[in-house]
Amino acid sequence: DAGVTQSPTHLIKTRGQQVTLRCSPKSGHDTVSWYQQALGQGPQFIFQYYEEEERQRGNFPDRFSGHQFPNYSSELNVNALLLGDSALYLCASSQGVTTNEKLFFGSGTQLSVL
Amino acid sequence: RKEVEQDPGPFNVPEGATVAFNCTYSNSASQSFFWYRQDCRKEPKLLMSVYSSGNEDGRFTAQLNRASQYISLLIRDSKLSDSATYLCVVPGSARQLTFGSGTQLTVLP
Repeated sequence: DAGVTQSPTHLIKTRGQQVTLRCSPKSGHDTVSWYQQALGQGPQFIFQYYEEEERQRGNFPDRFSGHQFPNYSSELNVNALLLGDSALYLCASSQGVTTNEKLFFGSGTQLSVL
Repeated sequence: RKEVEQDPGPFNVPEGATVAFNCTYSNSASQSFFWYRQDCRKEPKLLMSVYSSGNEDGRFTAQLNRASQYISLLIRDSKLSDSATYLCVVPGSARQLTFGSGTQLTVLP
């Protein structure tokens, strides 16, 4: 049983570029959340997708957008990259939207913006 | 005040020691709390859930003080494999988790 998978594992971009990160949830899960973790900080909630819609959003600008597909997989898009966007991006999946603790995280995508 | 604040650390302790981390939270309405463990730049993994006054799992004990709005994590008989960052987590509105900045623990041989 595959857990949460994310791709790519590492990515290097330059300022102003756009990036797309991908996530496949754990089998049986239908909800995907995205978190940004800067070095030395805890993960910060970006947004959550359920039934192909954004259900909840954290304090992130509109440059951060996402999508969920019918197979529950998800993408995170970041436009006009800034140096400060360099971070570990974590995807977490769960079954439904009511049970917070049953989150399973992927191993993340390390994004470096030069 | 930050939503979730943790001891800054780092904590460096010898094998076999007992170590405790504290975490304070601002949302008095929070009902459940969690400790996650994160190894170096890997994904966080749920360590313990705390719903009432506390929870114990082997060498790990989590306690909750609602009046003072803090939770703690106690690790007894520390092992080298306990070296990690421990994240205090409080559910936010409905479906998101608010993480503290983490406390780094290094258990020394």
